Amino acid sequence: EPEVTQTPSHQVTQMGQEVILRCVPISNHLYFYWYRQILGQKVEFLVSFYNNEISEKSEIFDDQFSVERPDGSNFTLKIRSTKLEDSAMYFCASSGGITDTQYFGPGTRLTVL
Amino acid sequence: AQSVTQPDIHITVSEGASLELRCNYSYGATPYLFWYVQSPGQGLQLLLKYFSGDTLVQGIKGFEAEFKRSQSSFNLRKPSVHWSDAAEYFCAVVSQTGANNLFFGTGTRLTVIP
Repeated sequence: EPEVTQTPSHQVTQMGQEVILRCVPISNHLYFYWYRQILGQKVEFLVSFYNNEISEKSEIFDDQFSVERPDGSNFTLKIRSTKLEDSAMYFCASSGGITDTQYFGPGTRLTVL
Repeated sequence: AQSVTQPDIHITVSEGASLELRCNYSYGATPYLFWYVQSPGQGLQLLLKYFSGDTLVQGIKGFEAEFKRSQSSFNLRKPSVHWSDAAEYFCAVVSQTGANNLFFGTGTRLTVIP
């Protein structure tokens, strides 16, 4: 069964450093998402991406964040200058259509020291 | 604006007992509703979804949920819980803005005792 994959599974970084989280969505999916879950809190939407552009973003997704689909398979989330409060689990998701089920990856745990 | 409330933070049930996890939503139209499960250290797995039609939906692992518009609820049920069902359960509703992003509830942690 196709699945969404994410790398790395765990990333530790120093405050102020740039990080790139990588996702490989399900191959025939067209809609891509990033969510995050701070420890002990609910899953929060960050950004959605379709047709090589952002379709929606939350207030969390400020200028420090960016997304890119650099090739036909990868979907990345970049945090330019990490803050302590960026420590969270980051989930990538993809879906085949605008109302289709979103399939989630296993997540990347980001720890900012 | 859309939102989801899961009133129970933590529920403990005995193995073999029945289970009901509550979810209430706020939404301006007919909602698209989901239940996801997250095992420790794992990602989110879809249990079931409601888009339209029959208000009682069946999912994986023996779970079902009933959409009740009059109560703005979408409660998850299972007749007999297994120890492997211990996990965090999230109810979610699709955004009304058209981008299809999900709004999640705060989750209910299920503990199963032998």
